Amino acid sequence: GQNIDQPTEMTATEGAIVQINCTYQTSGFNGLFWYQQHAGEAPTFLSYNVLDGLEEKGRFSSFLSRSKGYSYLLLKELQMKDSASYLCAPTRDKIIFGKGTRLHILP
Amino acid sequence: SQTIHQWPATLVQPVGSPLSLECTVEGTSNPNLYWYRQAAGRGLQLLFYSVGIGQISSEVPQNLSASRPQDRQFILSSKKLLLSDSGFYLCAWGPPGYTFGSGTRLTVV
Repeated sequence: GQNIDQPTEMTATEGAIVQINCTYQTSGFNGLFWYQQHAGEAPTFLSYNVLDGLEEKGRFSSFLSRSKGYSYLLLKELQMKDSASYLCAPTRDKIIFGKGTRLHILP
Repeated sequence: SQTIHQWPATLVQPVGSPLSLECTVEGTSNPNLYWYRQAAGRGLQLLFYSVGIGQISSEVPQNLSASRPQDRQFILSSKKLLLSDSGFYLCAWGPPGYTFGSGTRLTVV
């Protein structure tokens, strides 16, 4: 089976930094995806971690600890357009998504 | 480059009517293909996935079915829609990474 836990909602201020945590339990693991989904739209790919450690890509970074079943997505220099849901998705031969974290950005 | 096409974008269907949603992928061979559904305010639920022509795995028992008649074509069907089938249906392909189509918003009335 698969269990994914991430906060339901978070609020942050424009220009600030926010960290979205995700813990997971899976039977088999190839890697972990983070996706961004704006309301009414399809998810878009943000990052994919296979090995432990931090992957940085512009304003977004993602961290993985396989032994702890833990990942986080770090968003820096927040912009209003970052208001969206962020989906944590561990994967084996298929992606199972968590319910996502809805991030609200305040001006 | 790889692209994924999904249609229609929106659909309003009466209860008890049939359904056929189509998804096609271009620019790749033998992709894994997926159908997800997202009910209003809910997370993405994996419905079906396919690793090859004619190979379908069902994740959730329901009145929907899927078929893969060609390598890059994935179809989601129902013989009789229920009100609970309303939602946002997304097709995706991979690996590497998993790319989503633009989705079909289905309202069953």
